[in-house]
Parts: sequence; C-alpha cells; structure tokens
Amino acid sequence: AQSVAQPEDQVNVAEGNPLTVKCTYSVSGNPYLFWYVQYPNRGLQFLLKYITGDNLVKGSYGFEAEFNKSQTSFHLKKPSALVSDSALYFCAGRAPNSGTYKYIFGTGTRLKVLA
Amino acid sequence: GAVVSQHPSRVICKSGTSVKIECRSLDFQATTMFWYRQFPKQSLMLMATSNEGSKATYEQGVEKDKFLINHASLTLSTLTVTSAHPEDSSFYICSARTLAGAHNEQFFGPGTRLTVL
Repeated sequence: AQSVAQPEDQVNVAEGNPLTVKCTYSVSGNPYLFWYVQYPNRGLQFLLKYITGDNLVKGSYGFEAEFNKSQTSFHLKKPSALVSDSALYFCAGRAPNSGTYKYIFGTGTRLKVLA
Repeated sequence: GAVVSQHPSRVICKSGTSVKIECRSLDFQATTMFWYRQFPKQSLMLMATSNEGSKATYEQGVEKDKFLINHASLTLSTLTVTSAHPEDSSFYICSARTLAGAHNEQFFGPGTRLTVL
C-alpha cells in the first residue's frame, strides 16, 4: 500500500534555529510530493511541491524541501525558524500514473517554535 | 493563484437536522473536488471524490446516504450531512483539482467547522 509517513508528532525548535520536519514516502513511480501548513481552524495552505527537476525545492515563507529518491524522503527545512511558523504541517504525495488524483497524507507534525 | 472557498465557515445545528456545506472554486474550473474530514489533532481523512456531472466516489467506510455530495457545476460542490448527530461534529475541508495547472494539483478550501448539539 502507498503511504506517506511523518515520524514526528511534534518538533520543538528555538526561534532563530534551523528547523527540519521529516517526511518519507512509499509512492509508486515518480511521485509528486507536497507540503502544506495548517493554522488552527483553517484549511491547508500550500508551501511547496516537487514534481520533477531540481531536488531542492524552494517555497513560501522561506521554506524549502529536498527530494531524496534513494532515501525516499522529502524533508521540510527552514534556515531560521520564526515563532509564527508554529503550526501543523502535512506532507502529501500523489502517484501521477495511478489513474486517481487522490493525495496520500501524512499524519501531520506539529511544529512549535519557542521564543 | 487558484482560490477555493467554503461556506459556511462555522455551523452549529441540532441533532437530527441536515446541514449543507458549499465548496466553490472561485477563479478556475474544477472537474474534480475532494471532501475531507479532520478530527482534532489528526490528519485529513478523504471521504469522497466528486466529479462534475456524475456520482461521487466514496471511500470505504463512508456512508453515502449520510454524506450526500452533489457536484452540479464546474465551480460548485456541496456536501450535505443528513440527520446529523454529535459524532458528525468535525472539521470538513474540500479541495479542487484544476486542469489549468500542469500537474492537476489540489487547492484547499479554508474548512467548515460543524458542531452538532
């Protein structure tokens, strides 16, 4: 079965420090991978995506992610965390040749940036 | 960018009543819309895939008679929770797939908080 895993329920980081939110995938073919952020009582906001090409993808609000095919990972990173980055982050994948447009979501990682 | 709206953002209803939630793609046509349900501190659970002009495809375990989905136009899908009960209280999120983008990605609405008393 295809899956996306976010091994950490919560990540704590001090403001100004680099942050990493982990994501690994088991999606057939050359997957499309996405990161979304969710603030309380809000929908999902798109951060970035990997479709093809350069493995390092830059997105909104200074976030970036690196696609690593050998490790089947797509970790989200930011060089310097802000308190306002505190939110729930979701990694999602899609198999482009699956015949369906469904996303496979990870379970989410709560990021807490401490002042 | 592609914008998806949901209405209402919050709704409180009495047990036994029905509630309709609208999902609209504001600046693009969406042949496919998805409905998700999110429990507190949990991930999104796909409920159904809604295709314009045809019957929705429900995920396993989702009652189609309980959660009625209509996708009557390329910009509007509705989810009706029939005979709502407190256990239906949840955060419902829709997304829409655009054909305009090269990779048919999904754009998400802001969500609807349903509370059934």
